[in-house]
Amino acid sequence: GESVGLHLPTLSVQEGDNSIINCAYSNSASDYFIWYKQESGKGPQFIIDIRSNMDKRQGQRVTVLLNKTVKHLSLQIAATQPGDSAVYFCAETLSNDYKLSFGAGTTVTVRA
Amino acid sequence: DAMVIQNPRYQVTQFGKPVTLSCSQTLNHNVMYWYQQKSSQAPKLLFHYYDKDFNNEADTPDNFQSRRPNTSFCFLDIRSPGLGDAAMYLCATSRPSGTGVSYEQYFGPGTRLTVT
Repeated sequence: GESVGLHLPTLSVQEGDNSIINCAYSNSASDYFIWYKQESGKGPQFIIDIRSNMDKRQGQRVTVLLNKTVKHLSLQIAATQPGDSAVYFCAETLSNDYKLSFGAGTTVTVRA
Repeated sequence: DAMVIQNPRYQVTQFGKPVTLSCSQTLNHNVMYWYQQKSSQAPKLLFHYYDKDFNNEADTPDNFQSRRPNTSFCFLDIRSPGLGDAAMYLCATSRPSGTGVSYEQYFGPGTRLTVT
């Protein structure tokens, strides 16, 4: 699979490989995190979320990992497909808040 | 299907000519948000309504105003658009209180604003 250790604005992935997208969040008190996918010309779409009392959560072909010690969040996409090409944003919030703080996005391009 | 709808999808306005963007939702969520998103950047929150309470972000220019006449509808008014206001405007909703609490925000497809 292909991955980035630190957040990078772009990621090019071979179709069928695994992707890892990283995000460093800013508030150590944040206790709820979301990954959004935004395709060109569309609004962000929910992928998966995780609460701070967890360190891993799996969905369909996606896994989110949370490392609170270093304030790091990652999204793993298994068997990346052309339809996964998009910009991915992480977002954080406090559970008693209702405003999301978005991280810088990562543009994922899937090579055929 | 319950959803967030934005009209129009594309809007062209002239420099200085007032423009209104609209958002409606069938989710019955109590919070509605307006974001501005410029190319390759994260969405930037302009303001939000918690029920009827309006909450402006500190750095939102006075040129941007909003109205929420009822639970379902919210409008973004740009009083005198400048070239720098050309962007994608995203509406979102959430339900952070009451039954079925969720901190997830549901986004509409956005309105792409061009200023000529």
